[in-house]
Amino acid sequence: QVQLQESGPGLVKPSQTLSLTCTVSGRSISSGDYYLSWIRQNPEKGLEWIGYIYYTGRADYNPSLQSRTAISVDTSKNQFSLKLTSVTAADTAVYYCAGNWNRHGGNFDYWGQGAPVTVSS
Amino acid sequence: DTQMTQSPSSLSASVGDRVTITCQASQDIYIYVSWFQQKPGKAPKLLIYDASNLERGVPARFSGSGSGTDFRFTISSLQPEDFATYYCQQYDNLPFTFGPGTQVDFK
Repeated sequence: QVQLQESGPGLVKPSQTLSLTCTVSGRSISSGDYYLSWIRQNPEKGLEWIGYIYYTGRADYNPSLQSRTAISVDTSKNQFSLKLTSVTAADTAVYYCAGNWNRHGGNFDYWGQGAPVTVSS
Repeated sequence: DTQMTQSPSSLSASVGDRVTITCQASQDIYIYVSWFQQKPGKAPKLLIYDASNLERGVPARFSGSGSGTDFRFTISSLQPEDFATYYCQQYDNLPFTFGPGTQVDFK
């Protein structure tokens, strides 16, 4: 079955870059029309969609984060990644990767278990 | 952005109860609504998509309805494993947005 797993530092200093990777197992990313998203959750803002990359190679982002966000995919490693620059305490959250194949881009079928990230000096 | 509001924000219920949660969108989103269940420390789980379609493997006691701006999620007979937080989400337009959640706990 398809599984997603986030990895990356759990602690990031203010003004630095948050980098997370999601490894997909059980299916090749490029085995269909994929939509691979990053979503975060914290008590202040709840669940917040950060952005996605899809099968054309294009990425779309939440306008509230667009200037600081980059999502990329490495199909040879079956991974996709998130970079969020200039982080502040407001970026402290659990970060989830999520995705689907051959469905609407906003259908989040598969989720990782979540990676807690704290922004603190 | 399309704002999603949910009510109630929390409710207390007993096993066997019928539970209904409503979700309202700030603009017409047709049928592009999903419902998720989330338990503490876990990722959300997709239950319903396209407002009323049951995700594969999800028990039939879960159902959804609605279109336009008003949506409803129902659990016909609450089971012990259903105590959780439920979220609606719209995917008609970017950015995709979620409701604030409804926590369902024991009466």
